[in-house]
Amino acid sequence: GDSVTQMEGPVTLSEEAFLTINCTYTATGYPSLFWYVQYPGEGLQLLLKATKADDKGSNKGFEATYRKETTSFHLEKGSVQVSDSAVYFCALGQGLNSGYSTLTFGKGTMLLVSP
Amino acid sequence: NAGVTQTPKFRVLKTGQSMTLLCAQDMNHEYMYWYRQDPGMGLRLIHYSVGEGTTAKGEVPDGYNVSRLKKQNFLLGLESAAPSQTSVYFCASSYRQGSTKYEQYFGPGTRLTVT
Repeated sequence: GDSVTQMEGPVTLSEEAFLTINCTYTATGYPSLFWYVQYPGEGLQLLLKATKADDKGSNKGFEATYRKETTSFHLEKGSVQVSDSAVYFCALGQGLNSGYSTLTFGKGTMLLVSP
Repeated sequence: NAGVTQTPKFRVLKTGQSMTLLCAQDMNHEYMYWYRQDPGMGLRLIHYSVGEGTTAKGEVPDGYNVSRLKKQNFLLGLESAAPSQTSVYFCASSYRQGSTKYEQYFGPGTRLTVT
């Protein structure tokens, strides 16, 4: 079945450092890929997405490129802020019959940014 | 719009007790989902629904039942709670398909403790 593997955390960075969170996937067909973010005490929010190979998703300074050849969707940000401290989830979406889909999530990576 | 709401926010149950978690969405979404989130496990799909009156099992359905009597509501029931069901439960909803392909919108979560 489908699966998503992301790097274990916590990832601890100083403000303005460069961030990379690795995500690789295993799937049949042509899935869509997502990054969700969960701030403390809240639900998940969509951060960015890519629906086909070579697409780049971007939002709030974060970006990730859908690499089919390496089955990866790594999350990057050039300069993190304290407010970026959260748990980040990589997810894969597959269409099922009748057009609907379910998401397969990675285990999440906690990011801690210090001033 | 309130988006996706969940009630209650917190609950403590004794082993063997029953309860129902309510999820409501005001976005006219076709699809709704129940997940549980456990430390180090990411999010796992319990049950989902592709429309009013229709439900299906996800990855971890045992010990739970669901109902979707109205399009905007999705109920998750625990008939006889067990300590292994201590978790944070998230509801999500999504459109059928379109430009926001497979994006899911999440509620704030219900923290359940079974003693």
